[in-house]
Amino acid sequence: ETGVTQTPRHLVMGMTNKKSLKCEQHLGHNAMYWYKQSAKKPLELMFVYSLEERVENNSVPSRFSPECPNSSHLFLHLHTLQPEDSALYLCASSQRQGAWADTQYFGPGTRLTVL
Amino acid sequence: EDQVTQSPEALRLQEGESSSLNCSYTVSGLRGLFWYRQDPGKGPEFLFTLYSAGEEKEKERLKATLTKKESFLHITAPKPEDSATYLCAVRDGGATNKLIFGTGTLLAVQP
Repeated sequence: ETGVTQTPRHLVMGMTNKKSLKCEQHLGHNAMYWYKQSAKKPLELMFVYSLEERVENNSVPSRFSPECPNSSHLFLHLHTLQPEDSALYLCASSQRQGAWADTQYFGPGTRLTVL
Repeated sequence: EDQVTQSPEALRLQEGESSSLNCSYTVSGLRGLFWYRQDPGKGPEFLFTLYSAGEEKEKERLKATLTKKESFLHITAPKPEDSATYLCAVRDGGATNKLIFGTGTLLAVQP
């Protein structure tokens, strides 16, 4: 599982804190994704980046702010979160964005708890 | 609206007891159906991609099949290490490679 790495693996934060999640992919891919996974709910796509350009923002609240400085790194900046934002945040990458059935490969996730 | 429904929600099998998981979907222009395996506390691990009705793919004890409305993941003679949540996803017909996921089937294989 070294293709897509995420740090930290676990994060506990208060509602007034600011923190960042980091994702790095070592697969030479050009597209990166943030997903949210809550208990009993399907994975929800949050953001898509292709060649460092955001191509989709899936109606995500502004307290989540993504950043993609290059095709290998993706960040999710968090501020003034709510307890309902507690979830597993997954990063994924694929070779090309928009290509026919391009496979997405996932990282191990960051388990976020908002107190 | 694009939708993916997986059944059952949970399945308990004895070691060696074969069974199937179901993934029903509605999507405007299927551009791939994906199966992933997810272990507790980990990210989804890619298993298969199916593109067209009638297609089948196999990997060890797993075999995935696809029709125009659903996909099955057949598990033959499962072992305890096959215990995991199995996720199904479809790629919609849009341009952003968006995957629509089901809620998964939690499989427990008892020795």
